[in-house]
Amino acid sequence: AQTVTQSQPEMSVQEAETVTLSCTYDTSESDYYLFWYKQPPSRQMILVIRQEAYKQQNATENRFSVNFQKAAKSFSLKISDSQLGDAAMYFCAYRSGIIQGAQKLVFGQGTRLTINP
Amino acid sequence: DTAVSQTPKYLVTQMGNDKSIKCEQNLGHDTMYWYKQDSKKFLKIMFSYNNKELIINETVPNRFSPKSPDKAHLNLHINSLELGDSAVYFCASSQGRQRTQETQYFGPGTRLLVL
Repeated sequence: AQTVTQSQPEMSVQEAETVTLSCTYDTSESDYYLFWYKQPPSRQMILVIRQEAYKQQNATENRFSVNFQKAAKSFSLKISDSQLGDAAMYFCAYRSGIIQGAQKLVFGQGTRLTINP
Repeated sequence: DTAVSQTPKYLVTQMGNDKSIKCEQNLGHDTMYWYKQDSKKFLKIMFSYNNKELIINETVPNRFSPKSPDKAHLNLHINSLELGDSAVYFCASSQGRQRTQETQYFGPGTRLLVL
């Protein structure tokens, strides 16, 4: 079974600085997807960024980018120019690429990010 | 327009009661899910339906019964509620089962408190 580990329960960063959230995963599959979701105090789960394992290029979405290291099974999220609105729980998630298999997302434990003004 | 909606947003009830949570998506997606987020914020899949067919049924007490009347709706009925059922329940949907349709979009969650 696949597992996802976020080893940083909490992180904090000064506004406008850059912060990196870590995520590692364990799988025997070669085809899969990885996601970062953000959960602000409103409780809504918001997709931040996604990465297809078969793509070598790291995904980017504005101030958010990932460092995907397939061999190391590492998928970190970098937030540049941190803003107060970035404060939230961040979840790393894995999904198998097998079409006929289970499509569930396997989540990490989450990292609570605080932005200091 | 809300893409994935859930009702109610909050539910407070007594132990032993039966309650239902409803989910609707207007994205035209074929697949819907129920996830449970416990008090430590850990999220775990409970069920998944693809076009009204149950495809994922994780280790969940049989007091929990999902129902999908059509592919836009997925409801969760819980019998004989227990204190440990207190959690936030999220509904999600994705377009289908093909490679490009894998992103799941979440509803706002239903916070269930069992007293």
